[in-house]
Amino acid sequence: GNSVTQMEGPVTLSEEAFLTINCTYTATGYPSLFWYVQYPGEGLQLLLKATKADDKGSNKGFEATYRKETTSFHLEKGSVQVSDSAVYFCALSANAGGTSYGKLTFGQGTILTVHP
Amino acid sequence: AAGVIQSPRHLIKEKRETATLKCYPIPRHDTVYWYQQGPGQDPQFLISFYEKMQSDKGSIPDRFSAQQFSDYHSELNMSSLELGDSALYFCASSRPRDGRDDEQFFGPGTRLTVL
Repeated sequence: GNSVTQMEGPVTLSEEAFLTINCTYTATGYPSLFWYVQYPGEGLQLLLKATKADDKGSNKGFEATYRKETTSFHLEKGSVQVSDSAVYFCALSANAGGTSYGKLTFGQGTILTVHP
Repeated sequence: AAGVIQSPRHLIKEKRETATLKCYPIPRHDTVYWYQQGPGQDPQFLISFYEKMQSDKGSIPDRFSAQQFSDYHSELNMSSLELGDSALYFCASSRPRDGRDDEQFFGPGTRLTVL
């Protein structure tokens, strides 16, 4: 079956530090890949996505590149802010017959804390 | 822009009671997903509906049932509640089409506490 593995957390950084959160996946076919962010007490918000190999998703300074050869989708940001403190989930969606849809399979989540 | 609405936001029940969670998708979204997130856990897929028909089923207990109505809202019915059912229940909606955006939009969740 499909699975997503994220680096173990939590991650604690100082403001303006570089962020990397590793994510690897196992899936049949060609899944779509996502990063979701969850702020305390809130629901999940889509941060960025990539639907095919070598696509780069980006949003709010965050980036992730769909690497089929290494089955990875690592999240990066060059300079984190205190407001980036949240839980980050890597996820995949099964792609069936060219139609991208389906349930999301999530990684374990990584808690990011950014200090001033 | 309209978002996914879930009600209630918080629910407290006793063991063996029943609970009904409601989800109102974004207008024109025809697909609804339900997820369960235990404390400190990642969300786990429960069940999904497309055009009022069940489209996929995950790790949903037999004590739970769900349906999607003609107005596309969905309800998750939970019976014989157990302590382990305490979790955050998310609903997400989407409008998947061939080769197009498959983004799921999540609601704020219903926090269920079973005492």
